[in-house]
Amino acid sequence: NAGVMQNPRHLVRRRGQEARLRCSPMKGHSHVYWYRQLPEEGLKFMVYLQKENIIDESGMPKERFSAEFPKEGPSILRIQQVVRGDSAAYFCASSGTGWSNQPQHFGDGTRLSIL
Amino acid sequence: SQQGEEDPQALSIQEGENATMNCSYKTSINNLQWYRQNSGRGLVHLILIRSNEREKHSGRLRVTLDTSKKSSSLLITASRAADTASYFCATEGGGNKLVFGAGTILRVKS
Repeated sequence: NAGVMQNPRHLVRRRGQEARLRCSPMKGHSHVYWYRQLPEEGLKFMVYLQKENIIDESGMPKERFSAEFPKEGPSILRIQQVVRGDSAAYFCASSGTGWSNQPQHFGDGTRLSIL
Repeated sequence: SQQGEEDPQALSIQEGENATMNCSYKTSINNLQWYRQNSGRGLVHLILIRSNEREKHSGRLRVTLDTSKKSSSLLITASRAADTASYFCATEGGGNKLVFGAGTILRVKS
């Protein structure tokens, strides 16, 4: 399967713990995007990364959230000291280029539940 | 504020009927994209229409774009039970950042 792979599919954390979400883009893709989806809502953009660079983080909360896409390995979305409001589905997408007019290909998401 | 707004919020039709979903947006765009999401899954890209295009077809899908009205429609012809899903429009206005609407829930009854 050469699609976008996200893991884990489901993640349960207690308030105050850290959550790490992983995303491996499609083969050959070097542009990664993270989105968050609350129940019954559309996806909200969080951050856009290219290998080793953050291109746009305008959708990221100012505190507790960080993202990286290292030269080797998957992209990581990290949420420190999680709170109940962080419960959501987090989706990763990738594209082959940074040009406009390219579709983004999505993974199946990580469903984060905070106890 | 949200860019894309879908209408209706929910649509229930019989198998074989056509389904039409509409999307409105507020600012200038490079392209508009439609995605499908089955329950508990990620989004599947359906079709992308550029701002200088007016209509696009893909199989049973037909998308129109009216930039003067800042609106788009997705038509699914001869619907099937397998088309049951949520459908989202997303606009891209620069920087590859997609702005999604809240979606239309389509239910096709067999």
